[in-house]
Amino acid sequence: NAGVMQNPRHLVRRRGQEARLRCSPMKGHSHVYWYRQLPEEGLKFMVYLQKENIIDESGMPKERFSAEFPKEGPSILRIQQVVRGDSAAYFCASSYGGNTEAFFGQGTRLTVV
Amino acid sequence: EDKVVQSPLSLVVHEGDTVTLNCSYEVTNFRSLLWYKQEKKAPTFLFMLTSSGIEKKSGRLSSILDKKELSSILNITATQTGDSAIYLCAVENTGSARQLTFGSGTQLTVLP
Repeated sequence: NAGVMQNPRHLVRRRGQEARLRCSPMKGHSHVYWYRQLPEEGLKFMVYLQKENIIDESGMPKERFSAEFPKEGPSILRIQQVVRGDSAAYFCASSYGGNTEAFFGQGTRLTVV
Repeated sequence: EDKVVQSPLSLVVHEGDTVTLNCSYEVTNFRSLLWYKQEKKAPTFLFMLTSSGIEKKSGRLSSILDKKELSSILNITATQTGDSAIYLCAVENTGSARQLTFGSGTQLTVLP
């Protein structure tokens, strides 16, 4: 049973481009969470999704960021018109249910140049 | 706003030492407290604590929650160089979403 899979592991984008980060949860998990880890800071919650539904996006910046978790396929975190300040490690976690522990993926390191 | 404070920020010990990492929290409606170990990139799950006073143990690691003091400790006995990592504490509230609030972590370095 593979763990949470994120890809790509590293992503370089120029300012103004779009970044798409993918997260495949562990088998049997239907809850997905995205976190951002900025340099020298802890993990910050961004969004919580279940299949086809956004449950809580209170940690998402109001503009340029969006997330989805379709019925089929991985969860996608999309950042439009990236800026240097978006450079960070983005982690995805998944859990079986709302009361079970969340397991993290390896993260995607986004660098905006 | 929920808040998690970990101490110390960093710790350097020698192999064989025992360490205690601290986590204190403020959360509106507490659901659980979780400990993660972060090496290189991915945080790996260690413990989930929901009840006060019940110790959870996994090998040389153990953790206990004190809801009265709003804190938790993570103990590592007979430390090894492989224990070197950042240890993250997170709390979860009972809100509609499973939103974890993380502390800034304790950087543990175990020297041979």
